[in-house]
Amino acid sequence: AQSVAQPEDQVNVAEGNPLTVKCTYSVSGNPYLFWYVQYPNRGLQFLLKYITGDNLVKGSYGFEAEFNKSQTSFHLKKPSALVSDSALYFCAVPGGGNKLTFGTGTQLKVEL
Amino acid sequence: DGGITQSPKYLFRKEGQNVTLSCEQNLNHDAMYWYRQDPGQGLRLIYYSQIVNDFQKGDIAEGYSVSREKKESFPLTVTSAQKNPTAFYLCASSIQGFGQGETQYFGPGTRLLVL
Repeated sequence: AQSVAQPEDQVNVAEGNPLTVKCTYSVSGNPYLFWYVQYPNRGLQFLLKYITGDNLVKGSYGFEAEFNKSQTSFHLKKPSALVSDSALYFCAVPGGGNKLTFGTGTQLKVEL
Repeated sequence: DGGITQSPKYLFRKEGQNVTLSCEQNLNHDAMYWYRQDPGQGLRLIYYSQIVNDFQKGDIAEGYSVSREKKESFPLTVTSAQKNPTAFYLCASSIQGFGQGETQYFGPGTRLLVL
């Protein structure tokens, strides 16, 4: 079964510092991988996805993600964090039945 | 959230009552989905539909029902058989629902609470 894991429930980072939110995957075949962000009491917003090609994927709001096949990882990154980036981040992979299988989420807190 | 609307934002259910959550999209997408979100568990698929008048069960369909009479609309009914309905419900849509790399776009959600 296709699955993703987000090993950190929460990540704290100071504003202006680089941030990384981790995701590892377990899929058969070529992986398709997604990142979404959720602000409190809101729906999920699509950030970026990896289908094939360049291992560095650029997305919305200055976020990017690095696909690493040997480490089966797809970490989300941003060079300089903003307080407004504080939110819940989900990694996802397509599963059976047209669903997206989501990780349990990582709460990002950016502090002044 | 653009293009997908969900109503109401908050919904209260009494014991034994059926309630219906609305989802409408103006993106001209064929596929629509319902997910349930519980704290610390990510999102789980309830039902999905790839075409009008057709829908499929997801992982946690028991206690829920859906209809797809129009392309734009995919209402979810939480029946009295759903014993633990308190959750955040998210509707999503995608262009076709067949491709693995297809992006799903989400609505703003409905929070269901039990009185």
